[in-house]
Amino acid sequence: AQSVTQPDIHITVSEGASLELRCNYSYGATPYLFWYVQSPGQGLQLLLKYFSGDTLVQGIKGFEAEFKRSQSSFNLRKPSVHWSDAAEYFCAVGALHAGKSTFGDGTTLTVKP
Amino acid sequence: KAGVTQTPRYLIKTRGQQVTLSCSPISGHRSVSWYQQTPGQGLQFLFEYFSETQRNKGNFPGRFSGRQFSNSRSEMNVSTLELGDSALYLCASSLAGEDTQYFGPGTRLTVL
Repeated sequence: AQSVTQPDIHITVSEGASLELRCNYSYGATPYLFWYVQSPGQGLQLLLKYFSGDTLVQGIKGFEAEFKRSQSSFNLRKPSVHWSDAAEYFCAVGALHAGKSTFGDGTTLTVKP
Repeated sequence: KAGVTQTPRYLIKTRGQQVTLSCSPISGHRSVSWYQQTPGQGLQFLFEYFSETQRNKGNFPGRFSGRQFSNSRSEMNVSTLELGDSALYLCASSLAGEDTQYFGPGTRLTVL
């Protein structure tokens, strides 16, 4: 069975500081990996995805993630955080047909001025 | 291109009632999935429909059901509502054979 672990429930960073959100997955085959962001009361917005190829994936809003098969990780990074990045971030793993994705419990990001 | 739309955005019901939620996918998308999001359980997969057929199903009781129409619009129904059904219900669509899901804003259901 596939599963996703986001070890950090809540992270606080100062505006302008770098950010790394951790994600570990368990999946029997080649995973399809996603990061989503959710603002309060809103749906999920796709930040980036990894299917194959280059293990460093660029996404929207200046985010990137690196797929490390040996560590079963897909950590999300941003070099300089903006106050508008405060939100909840979800890592997800899916199969070929993405109709069924398994999500982590999410990491809430707070940005200090 | 318009995104995924869900109606209604907010709903209040009482225990024992039933409710129907609607989802219109992005034009051309044939797969529609439904998720339940609660503070305690997080995001849980309900079911997926593709070309009017249920293709995947999560671990929810039979009170939760859905369907998809020929225009790919989907509805989900919850019968005999319980307090624990209070949640944000998210719909996501994707292209046939494509692997990225696009989410709607959700329907916030409150059961009193």
